[in-house]
Amino acid sequence: GAGVSQSPRYKVAKRGQDVALRCDPISGHVSLFWYQQALGQGPEFLTYFQNEAQLDKSGLPSDRFFAERPEGSVSTLKIQRTQQEDSAVYLCASSLTSAINNEQFFGPGTRLTVL
Amino acid sequence: AQSVSQHNHHVILSEAASLELGCNYSYGGTVNLFWYVQYPGQHLQLLLKYFSGDPLVKGIKGFEAEFIKSKFSFNLRKPSVQWSDTAEYFCAVNAPGGGYNKLIFGAGTRLAVHP
Repeated sequence: GAGVSQSPRYKVAKRGQDVALRCDPISGHVSLFWYQQALGQGPEFLTYFQNEAQLDKSGLPSDRFFAERPEGSVSTLKIQRTQQEDSAVYLCASSLTSAINNEQFFGPGTRLTVL
Repeated sequence: AQSVSQHNHHVILSEAASLELGCNYSYGGTVNLFWYVQYPGQHLQLLLKYFSGDPLVKGIKGFEAEFIKSKFSFNLRKPSVQWSDTAEYFCAVNAPGGGYNKLIFGAGTRLAVHP
């Protein structure tokens, strides 16, 4: 079936605006991860969901960042009052189970630019 | 905190040259190690992974990596590169604890292969 999809692919926001980034994982995948990738860097972990439960949000950089996965499938990453330092590519990944040896499948990312 | 270091940020090779990309991690316990690749315009995808057993791991497209525990290294190799190997390569380790596959990535190595 289809892979992980993310929308929008590109988002330009003015500083102070709120944004919402969507992730559609592979159908049936239990685990969902969000990563932030700044220019010239590798992805950095933000948060993890197992079904609808957010089990780890240790990587969220501030309380302006909020993620949800209410029905255990689609997830939304929301950033309130965006700042220039939030400019990055936001990657979503899903895996079939929560086992540590399960491959993560990545989406294409959403490139957020905050002006 | 656990970290991953990739020594070369940019590598330029001619076709048929041999490739070795360095990766070192900082954690001293049991780790699972990964190499991901991102071809131009495409998603991150898994190249190979090490969990246990034979420290020489073979992946897709002729790539292999060797886990050397005493050196905390997991270098990626390919005997003869092709133009189609032009991509960005990321080494990653899963963070210990939690029971799920939370990945910590290196900064990446951008490989350009000239015909």
